[in-house]
Amino acid sequence: AQTVTQSQPEMSVQEAETVTLSCTYDTSESDYYLFWYKQPPSRQMILVIRQEAYKQQNATENRFSVNFQKAAKSFSLKISDSQLGDAAMYFCAYRTDDNYGQNFVFGPGTRLSVLP
Amino acid sequence: NAGVTQTPKFQVLKTGQSMTLQCAQDMNHEYMSWYRQDPGMGLRLIHYSVGAGITDQGEVPNGYNVSRSTTEDFPLRLLSAAPSQTSVYFCASSYAGLKIDEQFFGPGTRLTVL
Repeated sequence: AQTVTQSQPEMSVQEAETVTLSCTYDTSESDYYLFWYKQPPSRQMILVIRQEAYKQQNATENRFSVNFQKAAKSFSLKISDSQLGDAAMYFCAYRTDDNYGQNFVFGPGTRLSVLP
Repeated sequence: NAGVTQTPKFQVLKTGQSMTLQCAQDMNHEYMSWYRQDPGMGLRLIHYSVGAGITDQGEVPNGYNVSRSTTEDFPLRLLSAAPSQTSVYFCASSYAGLKIDEQFFGPGTRLTVL
């Protein structure tokens, strides 16, 4: 079964600085997708960024970018120019290609604090 | 589109009571799931469904039932509530199979069992 690990339960960053959140996953599949979700205090789950495993190019969305290392099964999230509104729980997620089983596997999350 | 809706937003139950958390989506998604999130923790999968009439257990199914009679609705039933079921419950939906589309989440239901 696929597993997703986030080894940093908590992180903090100074406003305007850059922070990187780690995510590793375990799979025997060659085709899959990876996601980062943000959960602010409002509890709403918000998609931050997504990555196709067959693409070597790292995805970027404004201040958010990923470092996808397929061989190492690593999918880290970099937040540049951190803002107070970035403070949230961040979840890494893996999507399988199973049409009949569980599609998504989530990591345990990293709580990010942004210091003014 | 309303997306994924959940009702109620808050609920307080006494031990032993039963109730149903409602979840509906209007995006014609095949895949729907229920998660619970305990304080400071991640999401744990309770049950999921890959289409109408098909459901399966996730990581923590005990004490919960689900059914999927239509594509749109995926209710979660607590049979006999226990304090250990105090949690925030999220319903989510997506297209089934390998697609780039993400899983869409409802706003959550905060449940307290006394």
